[in-house]
Amino acid sequence: EVQLVESGGGLVQPGRSMKLSCAASGFTFNNYDMAWVCQAPKKGLEWVATISYDGSSTYYRDSVKGRFTISRDNAKSTLYLQMDSLRSEDTATYYCARHSDTFDYWGQGVMVTVSS
Amino acid sequence: DIQMTQSPASLSASLEEIVTITCQASQDIGNWLSWYQQKPGKSPQLLIYGATSLADGVPSRFSGSRSGTQYSLKISRLQVEDIGIYYCLQAYSAPWTFGGGTKLELK
Repeated sequence: EVQLVESGGGLVQPGRSMKLSCAASGFTFNNYDMAWVCQAPKKGLEWVATISYDGSSTYYRDSVKGRFTISRDNAKSTLYLQMDSLRSEDTATYYCARHSDTFDYWGQGVMVTVSS
Repeated sequence: DIQMTQSPASLSASLEEIVTITCQASQDIGNWLSWYQQKPGKSPQLLIYGATSLADGVPSRFSGSRSGTQYSLKISRLQVEDIGIYYCLQAYSAPWTFGGGTKLELK
């Protein structure tokens, strides 16, 4: 059974940093691209970033370029999202997702609140 | 960026009724269209991928279709467990974009 478990969320002040993790199991992690998708409170879904199966390629939405970094450790089957220079508009639930031909499996999500 | 225009934004329907939700892509995305269901407090669940393929474990009352750049999700006989918010996704190219969502409620 595919499982994706996010961790690392919480309350953070504007301008500070936070790192999210996503532990994967139930599939061969290093065979799949992986992604982060966010959802602001009471809002829709937004793709944030994707990393290729081997970590050689990364893709970001414009609003996070230069501030967020997606990475992975295939030996640990873990996906990361380093979020720097956080803004109030980054407040959202962040989901990790397996990115095959689509986002086929999702974690339960982790809440990030950016507020002073 | 590819825009996905989803309609309606909200929908009220009766049990056993046929429900249809549509997404219009701003350019050709082929069959790179997926549909998701999200229930309150839960993560999105994949229903349809490749515009018409049913994801594992999804009831057969769900179906997807395509006409050019317009995509539809049909629920053939609405059940109480189908209540939630539905999203389309263009999986064609980055930045991958979702429709605005359709909130489905029981009448």
